[in-house]
Amino acid sequence: EVQLVESGGGLVQPGGSLRLSCATSGFIVSSKYMSWVRQAPGKGLEWVSVIYSGGTTYYADSVKGRFTISRDNSKNTLYLQMNSLRGEDTAVYYCARTNELWFAFDIWGQGTMVTVSS
Amino acid sequence: SSELTQDPAVSVALGQTVRITCQGDSLRSYYASWYQQKPRQAPVLVIYGKNNRPSGIPDRFSGSSSGNTASLTITGAQAEDEADYYCNSRDSSDNHQVVFGGGTKLTVL
Repeated sequence: EVQLVESGGGLVQPGGSLRLSCATSGFIVSSKYMSWVRQAPGKGLEWVSVIYSGGTTYYADSVKGRFTISRDNSKNTLYLQMNSLRGEDTAVYYCARTNELWFAFDIWGQGTMVTVSS
Repeated sequence: SSELTQDPAVSVALGQTVRITCQGDSLRSYYASWYQQKPRQAPVLVIYGKNNRPSGIPDRFSGSSSGNTASLTITGAQAEDEADYYCNSRDSSDNHQVVFGGGTKLTVL
């Protein structure tokens, strides 16, 4: 069964850092595009970042220079390193397997909540 | 970056047909994908590409596109279809980025 399980969310002060993990099963993470998508409380979905199967990475302008997407092929796990966190980064963060032809997010994790507050 | 625009709310009578639309310049170049999200749940992909349904998605869901507008049609809406619906596509101003619509709250009466 294909499954994504996020972890690592929590409460962090503005300016702080947090690393999210997304453990995958049922497929090889390095063979697929993988993305992070977030949703602020009561708001819509916002794409954050993608890593291509070849390893190239891209980011939304709102997080560029602060967030880093990566993966550990040996652990079949996706990561999101978040630095210089701001209040507007408060959201549920989802990892999502990404169809490379259509850029459709076909499998989602359950999400992990990140709260940035003092 | 580009934008995708959706109506904030749409309603449909039980068993009737409803169309949810998504407008934006990116849709002239790329197909939209559609997601259903129920409260406190992760989104679920319901339509992608020209008009493709993932396994397990009922055939009452269909997609279409014309010019800068993509549409999700639910033919014979059911009570369980009440949810938020989001569209997304590649961003035509930077095709390595992705843009989402603001979402449509569907109420089944």
